[in-house]
Amino acid sequence: EDKVVQSPLSLVVHEGDTVTLNCSYEVTNFRSLLWYKQEKKAPTFLFMLTSSGIEKKSGRLSSILDKKELFSILNITATQTGDSAVYLCAVINAGGTSYGKLTFGQGTILTVHP
Amino acid sequence: GAGVSQTPSNKVTEKGKYVELRCDPISGHTALYWYRQSLGQGPEFLIYFQGTGAADDSGLPNDRFFAVRPEGSVSTLKIQRTERGDSAVYLCASSPWGVSTIYGYTFGSGTRLTVV
Repeated sequence: EDKVVQSPLSLVVHEGDTVTLNCSYEVTNFRSLLWYKQEKKAPTFLFMLTSSGIEKKSGRLSSILDKKELFSILNITATQTGDSAVYLCAVINAGGTSYGKLTFGQGTILTVHP
Repeated sequence: GAGVSQTPSNKVTEKGKYVELRCDPISGHTALYWYRQSLGQGPEFLIYFQGTGAADDSGLPNDRFFAVRPEGSVSTLKIQRTERGDSAVYLCASSPWGVSTIYGYTFGSGTRLTVV
């Protein structure tokens, strides 16, 4: 059974801090790993990572994948109160009828105080 | 449409009743997924449609849950004899085919189902 574990489960920081969120996975027929930000109900897409060692960046957010060690990290620099959210990691299974199915971790709750 | 639309946004129902949750995907998206998210957890896969057919329904928890997508566009998730444990946010996602490397899947805002 595919499995995704995120750590920490929750994190409280002050504005301006840098945070690193972790995601480890076990999945048959790995295709890609995705990061989502969830503020209310709808997760919003951040990154998709398919190849090891290639960093993806968007503003203050960046992410990288290690397919040998089966983990990914999401970094947020110079955090702002608007970064407060649940950050979800998910992996895509590329096999058979499960093609495209996302298996999510339990999420990391990030709280940024002014 | 511009995004994935889910209705209703909130639904309160009594234990034992039947409910239908609707998902209207982005126009032209052939892949459609249903997920269920309980409080404090990540979303859990329920069912995947490619066009009109359910390609993978392995996540449906039991036979009280059923989903259809008769014309390959709008999908309805149906829950019979609801139980309090069914209370959760039900999320729908769509994509053109498989997974887009640009934006992954697009999720709707979900339906929060509360069974009392």
